[in-house]
Amino acid sequence: DSGVTQTPKHLITATGQRVTLRCSPRSGDLSVYWYQQSLDQGLQFLIHYYNGEERAKGNILERFSAQQFPDLHSELNLSSLELGDSALYFCASSDGPGTGGYGYTFGSGTRLTVV
Amino acid sequence: AQKITQTQPGMFVQEKEAVTLDCTYDTSDQSYGLFWYKQPSSGEMIFLIYQGSYDEQNATEGRYSLNFQKARKSANLVISASQLGDSAMYFCAMREFRSGNTPLVFGKGTRLSVIA
Repeated sequence: DSGVTQTPKHLITATGQRVTLRCSPRSGDLSVYWYQQSLDQGLQFLIHYYNGEERAKGNILERFSAQQFPDLHSELNLSSLELGDSALYFCASSDGPGTGGYGYTFGSGTRLTVV
Repeated sequence: AQKITQTQPGMFVQEKEAVTLDCTYDTSDQSYGLFWYKQPSSGEMIFLIYQGSYDEQNATEGRYSLNFQKARKSANLVISASQLGDSAMYFCAMREFRSGNTPLVFGKGTRLSVIA
């Protein structure tokens, strides 16, 4: 167990629907990062939150949004889902935006299948 | 902009042999970190090894070592005495430390298969 908790582990939903992925970072970590891993795109950075504030945005679609709550857990909201959104979504945490050393601690991921 | 290149989509190695997975990177920053992660078929991302741009010695962690050649901008992962459990996807990644909030950028990965 890495200490980063992602729920649910698997999600199957229909096109056009909306889903919420949840992430609880490792105890003491203030930064949460979201990544999308699809077969043809590899691991793509979506968004980074630090202590409740958005710090960096990557290739995140307008249909996707995220937030980090006061208790530091984070949610990634995906709406108007398309077949191409099917992927493994990872959350990772670190103890700060300036952390060097050991990169991030990853959760086990949420596998989203859009049918 | 930072970029990571892994040129080997797949590699095979005999059990107990050593294998090198290639990684080259591109950055204009002087301060950065290089990472290798392992992703077994179960899907989780497992941190293996880290090398800082100012580290003079190559990083080692058990059977993993990182062959860091700064002038060539390469950070190859060497796995010694391969085991069947080493079969997995391996990702090279980098982050820049100039502003503190640069996310990890990943290469496309190398699938390693260890043969008995």
